[in-house]
Amino acid sequence: SSELTQDPTVSVALGQTVRITCQGDSLRTYYASWYQQKPGQAPVLVIYAKDNRPSGIPDRFSGSSSGNTASLTITGAQAEDEADYYCNSRDSSGTHLVFGGGTKLTVL
Amino acid sequence: QLQLQESGPGLVKPSETLSLSCTVSGGSISSTNYHWDWIRQPPGKGLEWIGSIHYSGRTYYNLSLKSRVTMSVDTSKDQFSLRLSSVTAADTAVYYCAREGAMVRGVHPLANWFDPWGQGTLVTVSS
Repeated sequence: SSELTQDPTVSVALGQTVRITCQGDSLRTYYASWYQQKPGQAPVLVIYAKDNRPSGIPDRFSGSSSGNTASLTITGAQAEDEADYYCNSRDSSGTHLVFGGGTKLTVL
Repeated sequence: QLQLQESGPGLVKPSETLSLSCTVSGGSISSTNYHWDWIRQPPGKGLEWIGSIHYSGRTYYNLSLKSRVTMSVDTSKDQFSLRLSSVTAADTAVYYCAREGAMVRGVHPLANWFDPWGQGTLVTVSS
């Protein structure tokens, strides 16, 4: 099992706001980053170091953190946002990197 | 624009060694600020970090794979490589290479992320 826990599935109505969470003790010390993966494609970085958005990523994607939980928020979800989302951070020892189990986002 | 491309056999026999290379283009692997990583994804499952290497040769490996993993770097070719020994069917996965960025405060890391990624290569372990 992963040291970072994500809900396996989340759904959102088109145009609404959705929050995808990632929980783990290491998140009290280290920031999370987030990836979007569509079927048959490599993951794409959408948020790094808690709340930084790479160039080219729409501003409807945002990140935040509180306590042992990191969150990825999509404000005004679009059909093209339907994908798997993964968080990553360091493990509790701080030495190694880990991924959450992933969240499958469905846009209704 | 930095690009990464994995290469290597798509089929490996059980108990043998999986060997992959990742070629970096559009930039140099010899950057102090980055590590270079391998990540895998079994069919229908999530992502697993395998390990990372700095151009200096310093490595970090996933503890669950450490006894079987070796990573190396060839700065003259802007390439880094992965060797995974004694493979079984459980090692069947899409293998990705990626550049690892980091945010640090002093000497302490605060965050690490992977960007960009290679397209991935499927390695099947089967006789």
